[in-house]
Amino acid sequence: AQSVAQPEDQVNVAEGNPLTVKCTYSVSGNPYLFWYVQYPNRGLQFLLKYITGDNLVKGSYGFEAEFNKSQSSFHLKKPSALVSDSALYFCAVRAIWMDSSYKLIFGSGTRLLVRP
Amino acid sequence: DGGITQSPKYLFRKEGQNVTLSCEQNLNHDAMYWYRQDPGQGLRLIYYSQIVNDFQKGDIAEGYSVSREKKESFPLTVTSAQKNPTAFYLCASSAGGLHTEAFFGQGTRLTVV
Repeated sequence: AQSVAQPEDQVNVAEGNPLTVKCTYSVSGNPYLFWYVQYPNRGLQFLLKYITGDNLVKGSYGFEAEFNKSQSSFHLKKPSALVSDSALYFCAVRAIWMDSSYKLIFGSGTRLLVRP
Repeated sequence: DGGITQSPKYLFRKEGQNVTLSCEQNLNHDAMYWYRQDPGQGLRLIYYSQIVNDFQKGDIAEGYSVSREKKESFPLTVTSAQKNPTAFYLCASSAGGLHTEAFFGQGTRLTVV
């Protein structure tokens, strides 16, 4: 089955330390991968995407993500976390599904808590 | 301002009532999506539309209906057949290609009273 998995419900990190939020996917064909962030009672905001090319993608607010085809992963990273980065993060994938549609499917989300 | 607008922000429904959530975009996007988000959980796809006058069921379409008569509008009706409608509903749009990111509205919080 085609899916996206975020294995961690919550990630805790101290301000100034590097952070990683994990995402793995399972799709047939080439995946198009996205990261979004959600603040309380708000919609999702786009952070970055992988289409093709360089496996390290840079996005908004200092975030970056590394695409690893052999591990089917697209982990979100930031070298130095800020308290304001605390939010809910979603990984998503778009691919051509069996019915020839290209639905956008989301992972279950990972809550990031950055402590001062 | 270009963007995607959902209304109302808060909506209360009585048991047995149908309610319609509005979603409008002025981004000239072909594709539009409706997602449901339950507390502490991820997004589940209800319906999506890749082009005007066409839409497909997502993973949890039962108890919901949509229409796509205009490119800029994709209203969602929560019918009385939806047994547990209390949730946060998010509408999104994208330019339609595989590589394009989606833009989200601010959401509608629906509560059954």
